[in-house]
Amino acid sequence: EPEVTQTPSHQVTQMGQEVILRCVPISNHLYFYWYRQILGQKVEFLVSFYNNEISEKSEIFDDQFSVERPDGSNFTLKIRSTKLEDSAMYFCASTMTGFNQPQHFGDGTRLSIL
Amino acid sequence: EDQVTQSPEALRLQEGESSSLNCSYTVSGLRGLFWYRQDPGKGPEFLFTLYSAGEEKEKERLKATLTKKESFLHITAPKPEDSATYLCAAGGGSQGNLIFGKGTKLSVKP
Repeated sequence: EPEVTQTPSHQVTQMGQEVILRCVPISNHLYFYWYRQILGQKVEFLVSFYNNEISEKSEIFDDQFSVERPDGSNFTLKIRSTKLEDSAMYFCASTMTGFNQPQHFGDGTRLSIL
Repeated sequence: EDQVTQSPEALRLQEGESSSLNCSYTVSGLRGLFWYRQDPGKGPEFLFTLYSAGEEKEKERLKATLTKKESFLHITAPKPEDSATYLCAAGGGSQGNLIFGKGTKLSVKP
């Protein structure tokens, strides 16, 4: 069964450094999402992406964050200058036709900021 | 403000002891109510989508139901392998971004 893959599974970075999290969505999916889950808290929406542009973003997704689909398969999340509070699990998800369809999630990247 | 609340936070059952998990939601423009299962260190795994009040979906020992304000995940005769965190999420926004509850951590003892 097709799945969403994320790399790396764990990323350790010094505060202030840039980090790029990578995702390969399911191949025929068109809508892509990033979510994060701080330890012990809810999964929170960050951003949705369709047709090579951001469709919607949350208040969390400030100027330090950016997303890109650099080629036909990868979908990346960049954090320019990491803060301690960016430590979380980051999940990528994709769906074929957008809203009201189930989103399929990867197993996440655990980001630890020191 | 759109919100999803799940109860209980944790549930311990004996194998074979049926129970229900609750998800209450207040979301304007609901675009589906989704149930996911999450195992430790893994991403959410899709279980069900419900779109309208009165709808029911079943898969093995799980049955999900939906009213205008709540959804229930009924677990019939659970087994230890059903142990996981069950997440409820409401689809909202223009692109269906998911609003998650905090989850119910289910433990099933043999």
